[in-house]
Amino acid sequence: QSVLTQPPSVSAAPGQKVTISCSGSSSNIGNNYVSWYQQLPGTAPKLLIYENNKRPSGIPDRFSGSKSGTSATLGITGLQTGDEADYYCGTWDSSLSAAVFGGGTKLTVL
Amino acid sequence: QVQLQESGPGLVKPSGTLSLTCAVSGGSISSSNWWSWIRQPPGKGLEWIGEIYHSGSTNYNPSLKSRVTISVDKSKNQFSLKLSSVTAADTAVYYCARAFQIAELGYYYMDVWGKGTTVTVSS
Repeated sequence: QSVLTQPPSVSAAPGQKVTISCSGSSSNIGNNYVSWYQQLPGTAPKLLIYENNKRPSGIPDRFSGSKSGTSATLGITGLQTGDEADYYCGTWDSSLSAAVFGGGTKLTVL
Repeated sequence: QVQLQESGPGLVKPSGTLSLTCAVSGGSISSSNWWSWIRQPPGKGLEWIGEIYHSGSTNYNPSLKSRVTISVDKSKNQFSLKLSSVTAADTAVYYCARAFQIAELGYYYMDVWGKGTTVTVSS
């Protein structure tokens, strides 16, 4: 049972847009910045979004992040087959004094 | 740029202690970052284990705290994980990562990850 809640899976056609939600509470998302990670099959996670909506160098602007209250959203536009991966949200939980992740969302590009 | 490399036994016996090391290259472990361990059981999601600052300050996952010790060796530019009393449930890919953190201001993210190492708990 993860502290942050994500849908197990989402899917969309190539070229379309998809959003992935991440729900938490006031002790984590509500008062801390959210990050998102992409894990391609058989590889280590990679930072995709940090501080709610910032992209590290090299991450295309097809990827975007937003936060409202105790929820965050990852958006991906212009879907490509290479975007098929597991996506995780993460943040700090001030009550636990620990980092927490969502359970992960598997993206399928049909 | 900074790179991380995990190393350690791939097989640990039940009730034993899992020991892993993460070597930091291309940068100093004494930088203003925290150094983390994360694991991923087969077919499951990510679980944060804990972290250490170069000063020796640590934070641990409450669910693992009683069994986890993370230490730092500045002379070797590496940090280590020990997990005691392991069971089959501790079988996972173990990752080390660099974290940027200012907890008082709500900043936290992991921007550099190792490739991971698989640890199996079995007799």
